[in-house]
Amino acid sequence: QTVVTQEPSLTVSPGGTVTLTCASSTGAVTSGYYPNWFQQKPGQAPRALIYSTSNKHSWTPARFSGSLLGGKAALTLSGVQPEDEAEYYCLLYYGGAQSYVFGTGTKVTVL
Amino acid sequence: QVQLQESGPGLVKPSETLSLTCTVSGGSISSYYWSWIRQPAGKGLEWIGRIYTSGSTNYNPSLKSRVTMSVDTSKNQFSLKLSSVTAADTAVYYCARATSGGDCYWPCAFDIWGQGTMVTVSS
Repeated sequence: QTVVTQEPSLTVSPGGTVTLTCASSTGAVTSGYYPNWFQQKPGQAPRALIYSTSNKHSWTPARFSGSLLGGKAALTLSGVQPEDEAEYYCLLYYGGAQSYVFGTGTKVTVL
Repeated sequence: QVQLQESGPGLVKPSETLSLTCTVSGGSISSYYWSWIRQPAGKGLEWIGRIYTSGSTNYNPSLKSRVTMSVDTSKNQFSLKLSSVTAADTAVYYCARATSGGDCYWPCAFDIWGQGTMVTVSS
């Protein structure tokens, strides 16, 4: 069974920078996994932020960026705002099985 | 703007079949992948499966034996059936759209989600 692992929790100061990563148990994450990133606040549906590694939606704040880093997908928040406190999930596509797996999620605290 | 709305029974008995529908409003259902995703209380997200508007489906291998998805383009709706449910299937169920664009030359960009619907499995 494929597992996609994220940091359980990260803390960042307002105005600071934090990088979340997304690792696959099958090996290095590449662009062929078409990583998506989502933000979820308590009681709300997830909101899409990033697709296909680094592409932003029209509503994605400029301070969010996606990349590949050391064999993992990464989401970087620069100039963090208090409203960025949330759970973040990555989603990877496994073409061989034509299926998706969500990451375990990262709770970002702005303190 | 496009909106998704899940609907269906909020309570299902163990061993029965969970049935949900997602209605797409404000836009066409055609040429997108449509996914079902669930989230048990306090836990992470789980992808259940997807359907293309042609009716082609792909399911989570761990749920494949119990899942059926269908699409009705005339009603701008797609549906989920999950059979032989147990308490472990209790969760908020979301529908979501994947589109193409940017580096997604096929619909690999998840963009729009429904608000979710809570389904409890209990006798």
